[in-house]
Amino acid sequence: AQTVTQSQPEMSVQEAETVTLSCTYDTSENNYYLFWYKQPPSRQMILVIRQEAYKQQNATENRFSVNFQKAAKSFSLKISDSQLGDTAMYFCAFMKHLGTGGGADGLTFGKGTHLIIQP
Amino acid sequence: EPEVTQTPSHQVTQMGQEVILRCVPISNHLYFYWYRQILGQKVEFLVSFYNNEISEKSEIFDDQFSVERPDGSNFTLKIRSTKLEDSAMYFCASGVTGSMNTEAFFGQGTRLTVV
Repeated sequence: AQTVTQSQPEMSVQEAETVTLSCTYDTSENNYYLFWYKQPPSRQMILVIRQEAYKQQNATENRFSVNFQKAAKSFSLKISDSQLGDTAMYFCAFMKHLGTGGGADGLTFGKGTHLIIQP
Repeated sequence: EPEVTQTPSHQVTQMGQEVILRCVPISNHLYFYWYRQILGQKVEFLVSFYNNEISEKSEIFDDQFSVERPDGSNFTLKIRSTKLEDSAMYFCASGVTGSMNTEAFFGQGTRLTVV
């Protein structure tokens, strides 16, 4: 079974600052996917960024980037030039790769980090 | 932009009653999921569904729960004999592929309150 750990229950930064949210995971799988989801006060789950474990290059989506360290089983999210709208819960999630056999696996989520962007 | 739609947005039910939570996945998606989030806690996987059958389920998804795709468009979660601890946000999600290589789209959730 996989576990995902987010050690920061809450973080607060000033608008325009850069913030890094940490995530570690434990798995015996070699092929898997990692995700960061944002959950604003509306409670909707919004995908922020994804990373395939077989890719060494860190994923980037505009102001969001990850630092993926496979050996250390670490997957941190960096938000640059933070904005008030970034205030939300952020969940790190893991999914194992099922190969070509089909089927559908579920996400394993961490407990989340509540990020507050101060004006 | 296509989206996953969940109804109702909020459901209040008496303990012991049965509830059905409804979801309309995105039309060309083949994989469907239900997740649960108890207030203040993490999101938990319940079940995945593909090709008209359950693909995987968590230990949470016991005999109290069932899923169905009754008409080829809706995807429902039935909770029988509800308990107070079933109170949570329930999220439906759908994806084109089961490996999640493409984005899984989440609905806005149904808040279930058991009283």
